[in-house]
Amino acid sequence: ETGVTQSPTHLIKTRGQQVTLRCSSQSGHNTVSWYQQALGQGPQFIFQYYREEENGRGNFPPRFSGLQFPNYSSELNVNALELDDSALYLCASSPPGTAFGYTFGSGTRLTVV
Amino acid sequence: GNSVTQMEGPVTLSEEAFLTINCTYTATGYPSLFWYVQYPGEGLQLLLKATKADDKGSNKGFEATYRKETTSFHLEKGSVQVSDSAVYFCALSGKTGRRALTFGSGTRLQVQP
Repeated sequence: ETGVTQSPTHLIKTRGQQVTLRCSSQSGHNTVSWYQQALGQGPQFIFQYYREEENGRGNFPPRFSGLQFPNYSSELNVNALELDDSALYLCASSPPGTAFGYTFGSGTRLTVV
Repeated sequence: GNSVTQMEGPVTLSEEAFLTINCTYTATGYPSLFWYVQYPGEGLQLLLKATKADDKGSNKGFEATYRKETTSFHLEKGSVQVSDSAVYFCALSGKTGRRALTFGSGTRLQVQP
């Protein structure tokens, strides 16, 4: 197992710009989810991908989009950045089955100025 | 919808004290329940889990029992250490379809020597 790796670790963007965050999941983990964690709060579910298709979305606007690739990597894209998008973005992956918890990466800290 | 309520922190204890962090949930059906821990500047680590009523999850001296009748999953540890200082999140996920995690707001634990 190689764990879940996210890049970059920190990022500063200007309001209105676009950003792409990347995640490399553990081999065999065909479910990947992205979460937004604002300072001092619990993570909020953005969306989930299963076998390269989105199969669930939280209460986030369409400017948040994603991709999952066959090599267990994935991306989170955010367009038209707003100041409130400043947060820690966490990627989490899970193997097949319903009884397992998710393995989280260390996150990307995004600051929008 | 699903929701998780945790006791507010910070919780400040002396080393070797007994720890309880309360967690209650609202969910459809019988979710899986989790405790995650977040150390400063890091992502989330799965601490323990329980997938059905009366299951007890345990790890590193921490325990939590899935109580369906009280919809609770309180975290306990008999003797805390300074190294246990972190933020603890209670979470749940459904067992079918989208298995997104719903988190509580987190409880910060500070253990003093």
